[in-house]
Amino acid sequence: DVKVTQSSRYLVKRTGEKVFLECVQDMDHENMFWYRQDPGLGLRLIYFSYDVKMKEKGDIPEGYSVSREKKERFSLILESASTNQTSMYLCASRPAIYGYTFGSGTRLTVV
Amino acid sequence: KNEVEQSPQNLTAQEGEFITINCSYSVGISALHWLQQHPGGGIVSLFMLSSGKKKHGRLIATINIQEKHSSLHITASHPRDSAVYICAVTWTSGSRLTFGEGTQLTVNP
Repeated sequence: DVKVTQSSRYLVKRTGEKVFLECVQDMDHENMFWYRQDPGLGLRLIYFSYDVKMKEKGDIPEGYSVSREKKERFSLILESASTNQTSMYLCASRPAIYGYTFGSGTRLTVV
Repeated sequence: KNEVEQSPQNLTAQEGEFITINCSYSVGISALHWLQQHPGGGIVSLFMLSSGKKKHGRLIATINIQEKHSSLHITASHPRDSAVYICAVTWTSGSRLTFGEGTQLTVNP
């Protein structure tokens, strides 16, 4: 079975901390995505990557950065966590065309 | 204005009922996806389609390209079908997904 694995299901961090959310896929997919999901706003794209070391801003990149040093791993970084970054974070991957696979999500609470 | 519109936002049904969730989109797409999200957050891809109809078990997805409309049907609904169902599209101009706001389905025993 193909898999997208997010390292944590639940995280609690303090304001100002640097936070790393990790996503690993075992399908050799080129494209990987980070979304956040908030009530009433649905899923919104933060960043995506279409190849190793390549990244593109999504719709809401402010306060976030990403890293893709290896094809299978796409990391989302909150440089200085703030309470408005409390959210559900979802990672997804897909090959060159079609076929998205999503991770189980990380529910991040910033206190 | 969201370019992907789902209806209804909330749907409550009795076990065994036939359920339909609708999705409309504004311009040309390369693919439409139906996703399922259970409490706890993980999202499962149910269907990806660009034309016609697909069936998997009790789930059926249809798309009408001319009308820019898709439907997800659940036959003989069951309480375990309770989840949020999300429609998402990939526009012909790019590779990103644009999501609808989701339909919260509750199936009561």
